[in-house]
Amino acid sequence: KAGVTQTPRYLIKTRGQQVTLSCSPISGHRSVSWYQQTPGQGLQFLFEYFSETQRNKGNFPGRFSGRQFSNSRSEMNVSTLELGDSALYLCASRSDRVTNEKLFFGSGTQLSVL
Amino acid sequence: AQSVTQLDSQVPVFEEAPVELRCNYSSSVSVYLFWYVQYPNQGLQLLLKYLSGSTLVKGINGFEAEFNKSQTSFHLRKPSVHISDTAEYFCAVSPLVGAGSYQLTFGKGTKLSVIP
Repeated sequence: KAGVTQTPRYLIKTRGQQVTLSCSPISGHRSVSWYQQTPGQGLQFLFEYFSETQRNKGNFPGRFSGRQFSNSRSEMNVSTLELGDSALYLCASRSDRVTNEKLFFGSGTQLSVL
Repeated sequence: AQSVTQLDSQVPVFEEAPVELRCNYSSSVSVYLFWYVQYPNQGLQLLLKYLSGSTLVKGINGFEAEFNKSQTSFHLRKPSVHISDTAEYFCAVSPLVGAGSYQLTFGKGTKLSVIP
């Protein structure tokens, strides 16, 4: 069974641009979560999608948005990029919205904003 | 709201020595507790989790953790470390119920360096 796949692996953008990151969950998993990891702030929850609906959102500005498709694949979009958006963005999936269900993480997309 | 404090940002330890990585949490509601490991340039992998029952939890790669409700701690231990244990370790919590129950709150991480 393939794991959580995130593309691209690395991305370089300049301030003011927008970016879209993609996440393909494990087959059969309907819940997809996104986390931002930075050296200063650590790991922070961005949002969680289940069956194409956003059910939880972290404390991030509206420039950060996401969506989930009918095949459970998810995309995350960041508009008007700022230097502080440079981070590793991790996607995680699980089979159902059960809180103790094991989360499977992808290897992440490393975003650098210049 | 929940918060997690990992008391040591870096822990160097000699190979085959024991190690303890400390984690304290704060929450107004009951929580599930987790330890994750992150190897360089990789995502997070679950080591172990505490949901209920026995306070001593055994995980993968010989790690174990003990939940102490009175001290709100969930320290991770391994009796003998290997070079391959060099990684960053994250403690995390999530509420049992409520709007935030599907998100993890992480500590800042502890970098474990195993010295040959």
